[in-house]
Amino acid sequence: SYEVTQPPSVSVSPGQTARITCSGDALPKRYAYWYQQKSGQAPVLVIFEDSKRPSGIPERFSASTSGTMATLTISGAQVEDEADYYCYSTDSSGNHNWVFGGGTKLTVL
Amino acid sequence: EVQLVESGGDLVQPGGSLRLSCVASGFPFTRYWMTWVRQAPGKGLEWVANINHDGHEKNYVDSVKGRFTVSRDNAKNSVYLQMNSLRVEDTAVYYCARDRDDMDVWGKGTTVTVSS
Repeated sequence: SYEVTQPPSVSVSPGQTARITCSGDALPKRYAYWYQQKSGQAPVLVIFEDSKRPSGIPERFSASTSGTMATLTISGAQVEDEADYYCYSTDSSGNHNWVFGGGTKLTVL
Repeated sequence: EVQLVESGGDLVQPGGSLRLSCVASGFPFTRYWMTWVRQAPGKGLEWVANINHDGHEKNYVDSVKGRFTVSRDNAKNSVYLQMNSLRVEDTAVYYCARDRDDMDVWGKGTTVTVSS
């Protein structure tokens, strides 16, 4: 079955740039999406279609893809950005094999 | 206000059944696919199933195929997840989400606990 892979944790100091990666063989052909989940809350979409930011998401959140790697970047990370971040995508078959990455715990302190 | 509200979660014994419901409001329900996602305690998110606009196309993660059935009633702006032959490993918070390929609106979730 298809998988996308994320690092388990990333840690930065406030104001620094945080980068979270997501690796998947189908990413050159399929969009990556990113979700933020704070403790005890439902996930929130922060990036769709590789690099687009929904309304209401701060500009410090950006993303890009290159080959089989997608990267979520938080420029000038804030304490309130501390959360779990999940990459989401599908394989190249078109058979609705949607998967989340294992999640990355971002610590900002 | 765009909103999704799940219900139906409960404590059930292994082998039992449960039906989850999700009621949508504030948007044209019939225009959207709908998806169920679950999260086991202390674990990550797992895509479970989705259903298209008219309910004729349904997809499932391998681990629930043959046990879970997703359905919808567009007249009631509702999507359902019928869960049969429940296993301990199905214990999770179950979220429904509005699906445009991304999932831009989520409910708060309903908790399913499978335990003897």
